[in-house]
Amino acid sequence: EDQVTQSPEALRLQEGESSSLNCSYTVSGLRGLFWYRQDPGKGPEFLFTLYSAGEEKEKERLKATLTKKESFLHITAPKPEDSATYLCAVLANSGGYQKVTFGTGTKLQVIP
Amino acid sequence: GAVVSQHPSWVICKSGTSVKIECRSLDFQATTMFWYRQFPKQSLMLMATSNEGSKATYEQGVEKDKFLINHASLTLSTLTVTSAHPEDSSFYICSARVGGTTDTQYFGPGTRLTVL
Repeated sequence: EDQVTQSPEALRLQEGESSSLNCSYTVSGLRGLFWYRQDPGKGPEFLFTLYSAGEEKEKERLKATLTKKESFLHITAPKPEDSATYLCAVLANSGGYQKVTFGTGTKLQVIP
Repeated sequence: GAVVSQHPSWVICKSGTSVKIECRSLDFQATTMFWYRQFPKQSLMLMATSNEGSKATYEQGVEKDKFLINHASLTLSTLTVTSAHPEDSSFYICSARVGGTTDTQYFGPGTRLTVL
């Protein structure tokens, strides 16, 4: 069974204090790993797709990396507006079709 | 960018009634759409995969007669919660898949369903 685990569950940072969120996965036939940001009461907002180990993507203060077992979302000098729940999800081959499995998310709070 | 809309954004209904939720891809065609539900402080749970022109594929434990999915066109999928009960109250989110070299999903804003 595909599993996606995110850590920590919650993270509180001071503004400007850089950190990383982790997403570890065990799937067969990985097609892609996605990072999303979700604000309360809203649908997830797409951030990145990573396809293969060694790949990196950047967007403003965020940088996502991927290995064969996990992905990291690095947040450099975060601002209060970066506060949200960050979700990772993997797209993998499952029983003849493709399936997306989400992690439970990391709730990030950035304090001014 | 790819935009996905959902309608309605919020609905309250009485127990026993049916509720239809629409999911539209506004500026692209989506051969595959997904329906998720999310409980408070929990992650998204995939309910079903909807392919245009064919029957939806439901995840284990999801009642297909309870949650009717129709993918009528390349830009529209609907989820009908039939004979809704309070335990069906949840946040329902759809996504549309963009395939090819940039395979990813874009999510709608979600629909909050409250069944009294």
